[in-house]
Amino acid sequence: EAGVTQSPTHLIKTRGQQATLRCSPISGHTSVYWYQQALGLGLQFLLWYDEGEERNRGNFPPRFSGRQFPNYSSELNVNALELEDSALYLCASSLSWTGLGNEQFFGPGTRLTVL
Amino acid sequence: KQEVTQIPAALSVPEGENLVLNCSFTDSAIYNLQWFRQDPGKGLTSLLLIQSSQREQTSGRLNASLDKSSGRSTLYIAASQPGDSATYLCAVNGGTSYGKLTFGQGTILTVHP
Repeated sequence: EAGVTQSPTHLIKTRGQQATLRCSPISGHTSVYWYQQALGLGLQFLLWYDEGEERNRGNFPPRFSGRQFPNYSSELNVNALELEDSALYLCASSLSWTGLGNEQFFGPGTRLTVL
Repeated sequence: KQEVTQIPAALSVPEGENLVLNCSFTDSAIYNLQWFRQDPGKGLTSLLLIQSSQREQTSGRLNASLDKSSGRSTLYIAASQPGDSATYLCAVNGGTSYGKLTFGQGTILTVHP
């Protein structure tokens, strides 16, 4: 069974540009989560989508946005890129929220470098 | 606000040792706790999930315990091997914000032959 996949593996942008990152969840999973892992800051929660709806959002500015498609894949968009947006962006998926909390499975990540 | 702390920050041991990694969290109203492994520059591999109603989980040489009331979890690794070298992350789901995982800073483990 395929795990969580992310594309691209690496992405290089310049300040002010926009970046689009993509994630495909494990088959049967309807929840997708995005996390940022910046050097020295640890893993920070960005966004959670379930059944096409945004369920929770971390403490990030509005230029970080995303969406979930009918096939449960997801896109993370980062507008007006800043140098500090350089990080490893990790996507995770899980079964739909049951009120108990589900195990999250992570993809390999997209390394975004902003020059 | 949920905060997760991992001790020690780094650990270096000879092959074959049994070792314990510690994780503490400030808000005990959690749904579950996950332990992950991360190799340099890679994604996270889920090792163990403990639901809030459980006390421990085991997988091979790994055993994780959870004491929700005191806000603590430990990951026990038996008979460590060089291939166990990685960063180990503890993450809790719940507290003041459900769904998302709140991570500790990790323990960097080095097992030398």
